[in-house]
Amino acid sequence: DSGVTQTPKHLITATGQRVTLRCSPRSGDLSVYWYQQSLDQGLQFLIQYYNGEERAKGNILERFSAQQFPDLHSELNLSSLELGDSALYFCASSVRAVAGRNTGELFFGEGSRLTVL
Amino acid sequence: DQQVKQNSPSLSVQEGRISILNCDYTNSMFDYFLWYKKYPAEGPTFLISISSIKDKNEDGRFTVFLNKSAKHPSLHIVPSQPGDSAVYFCAASVLYNAGNMLTFGGGTRLMVKP
Repeated sequence: DSGVTQTPKHLITATGQRVTLRCSPRSGDLSVYWYQQSLDQGLQFLIQYYNGEERAKGNILERFSAQQFPDLHSELNLSSLELGDSALYFCASSVRAVAGRNTGELFFGEGSRLTVL
Repeated sequence: DQQVKQNSPSLSVQEGRISILNCDYTNSMFDYFLWYKKYPAEGPTFLISISSIKDKNEDGRFTVFLNKSAKHPSLHIVPSQPGDSAVYFCAASVLYNAGNMLTFGGGTRLMVKP
């Protein structure tokens, strides 16, 4: 158990709809990351939040948005869904980078599997 | 532009033998190289990492090597066990003030046969 909690585990919806995926990071972690894994491919970085603020952005579509709340949980909002958005969405968290102790490790949740029909 | 590549999508090894999983990268700015293991229906779990200034890191049956001149990290598992069967992702990390940016390879599915 990584300590990162994601809900829902599975979600089936139709094209054009909007969904929200939720992530609770490990206790004490300030950074939350969202990754997308499509069709047994590698994980693609979407976006990172640190203590409520957006800190890094990857190849995230304009139809997607995220936020991190004061209690540090994060939500990923996916709108105007298309068939190609079907994927596993992973949330990960990490401690703030501390020189000499941070190896770059991220702790991943079990993912939310989104199916768009 | 794939900055981290795993050119072997699958690898089959006999139990007790060595498994060698390979990775290649293009960005010289990466600080760490990490290996994650992923079982179906689970999230990736961290296995082992190596700093860009080292050439070897060992943890039990798992050893990660870094050939920096060739931009080539590799993971050795010896002896391989059936429970090692999973998808292994190579990842490269850039550390910055607020955290780490991980770039993942496409993964290699390892099958260890009894």
